[in-house]
Amino acid sequence: DAGVIQSPRHEVTEMGQEVTLRCKPISGHNSLFWYRQTMMRGLELLIYFNNNVPIDDSGMPEDRFSAKMPNASFSTLKIQPSEPRDSAVYFCASSYKSTGDYEQYFGPGTRLTVT
Amino acid sequence: GQSLEQPSEVTAVEGAIVQINCTYQTSGFYGLSWYQQHDGGAPTFLSYNALDGLEETGRFSSFLSRSDSYGYLLLQELQMKDSASYFCAVSSASKIIFGSGTRLSIRP
Repeated sequence: DAGVIQSPRHEVTEMGQEVTLRCKPISGHNSLFWYRQTMMRGLELLIYFNNNVPIDDSGMPEDRFSAKMPNASFSTLKIQPSEPRDSAVYFCASSYKSTGDYEQYFGPGTRLTVT
Repeated sequence: GQSLEQPSEVTAVEGAIVQINCTYQTSGFYGLSWYQQHDGGAPTFLSYNALDGLEETGRFSSFLSRSDSYGYLLLQELQMKDSASYFCAVSSASKIIFGSGTRLSIRP
């Protein structure tokens, strides 16, 4: 398996623009997580899907952030409009819930820079 | 709520043993896991403890005491490639929460 795939790997955009991050989880995994990592705030869970259904979105910072999972093999995280404080590395991770979500497989991340 | 505490930095010598501690507060505790992250890389899963005691995987071991809400990661025979950040993470019924990470620096 190729592991969790994220695109793009790097994104540089101007404040106010829409940004869409994409994730393909490992085939057969039924839980998907979006994280944001910064030096100041560490690794933060933004949203968690199980069987394509959002279970916990309490970590989504504000209405500018939205996430979807239209099917088991694809998820998006959208920021509209983007702001400089959104600059971070965004990770997607997947796991197999019946064995416990503690063993998560992370994608390589998307480094987002908003100028 | 949930919270975790771990040291921000630890320094050790190559070939030595180092222990990274983690204390947590949570309701509905399921287990404690550990992840490694090299600079510029993604977190990778190392170990998981749901029950009290020591779990060993090669040079790495992880310990849990549920009564003390405490765990640690033990790294033996340190190698330069072990220089990385190490995160503890607590799983509960609702979610998994990561600690702020411990940066391990290894001196030759």
